[in-house]
Parts: sequence; C-alpha cells; structure tokens
Amino acid sequence: KQEVTQIPAALSVPEGENLVLNCSFTDSAIYNLQWFRQDPGKGLTSLLLIQSSQREQTSGRLNASLDKSSGRSTLYIAASQPGDSATYLCAPKAGGFKTIFGAGTRLFVKA
Amino acid sequence: GAGVSQSPSNKVTEKGKDVELRCDPISGHTALYWYRQSLGQGLEFLIYFQGNSAPDKSGLPSDRFSAERTGGSVSTLTIQRTQQEDSAVYLCASSFDGTGDTYEQYFGPGTRLTVT
Repeated sequence: KQEVTQIPAALSVPEGENLVLNCSFTDSAIYNLQWFRQDPGKGLTSLLLIQSSQREQTSGRLNASLDKSSGRSTLYIAASQPGDSATYLCAPKAGGFKTIFGAGTRLFVKA
Repeated sequence: GAGVSQSPSNKVTEKGKDVELRCDPISGHTALYWYRQSLGQGLEFLIYFQGNSAPDKSGLPSDRFSAERTGGSVSTLTIQRTQQEDSAVYLCASSFDGTGDTYEQYFGPGTRLTVT
C-alpha cells in the first residue's frame, strides 16, 4: 500500500527566500508524480507533472525532481512571494488508477 | 475551454437524508476521479472511471456511497442515509487518460458537504 509523507508539515519564510519541499513515497513503481497547490477553500491546481522516466520538470520559479529508486521527490521554489502561500501536495500515481496524496506542506510567505 | 465544474458548491443536509453531488469533467477527458477531503485531512481516493470500463470502486468507504457516469461524461456521486462523518469537501478530477503516465489530473472547485 502506497504511503506518502511530506516534510515539513508547515513552513513560514520571509519573501524572497528559496525553499525546498520534500515528498517521500513507499511504492517506487509509479507512473508519474504530480505536484499541486491548494488555496484555502479551493480545489487543487496542478503545478508540475513528472513522468516516471523523467528526473525533473521546471515551470517558472518551480522545479520538481524525482528519484524513483529512493522514493523521493522535491519541489524547489525560487524567490518565494506572498502569493506562493498555500498548501502544496504531492501525488504519486502507482499501479492501477489510484493516486495517493500526501498530507501536504502548508507554506506561508511573509511580505 | 471550461475546466472541471462541480455542483452544488455547498450542501447542508440533515443526518439520514440522501445527497447527490455532480461533476462535469473537461470535454474530451476519458478519466474521472472522485476524492474526499475531510477537515484537516489529506485527500482520500473514492472512485475512478475510465471510458466505458468498469469503475474502480475500491476507495468507497461504505455501501452508502455510489457513483455513476452517464455517457462517459457527467458523473454523480450519491451518498445515502448521510452521517455526520460524511461531512467533507468532495473533489472531482478528470484527465485525458487515466492509464497513461503523461496526463495531468485537473480538479474542480469541490462540493462542501455538511451533515447536521
């Protein structure tokens, strides 16, 4: 059974700081891994999807890496802004059709 | 085109009543997922539809929960005899193809269900 852990659970940083969010998963036989952000009271917004054959993906100030063999993914946010404040979720998609989500990292970027 | 839409956005119901939640996926998406997010909890997978294949119902928490997808498009999640522990945000997502590794899931805004 896939288990997903996200560290840290919460993070508060000053604006402009670079930061790393960590995700680990127990079943390395994944098809892909998706990072999402969720704003309070809202649905999920897809940030990046990394296919199982890829090592990383970049979108703007975001960079996500994937190490399947060790069951780890990281989301790097450069030059953080107050608008980045949200909960960040990682979701590896393993065998079958289930996508298992981590509990998320709650990020607060102070102006 | 439009994203995933869900209705109603909020639903308050009395314990014991039945409720129906609706999801309209993105046009052309063959895969549709339902998730539940309880207060302070992570997302819990409920059910998955892929085209005309039999749905994966392995995440449904009890036989009070059921879902259908008509014509490969709109989906309805039904909860019978609601209980207070059913209170949560119910999220729907769709993707081009649930079996591949390249397709992102796109989420709707969710339906917040409160059982009193």
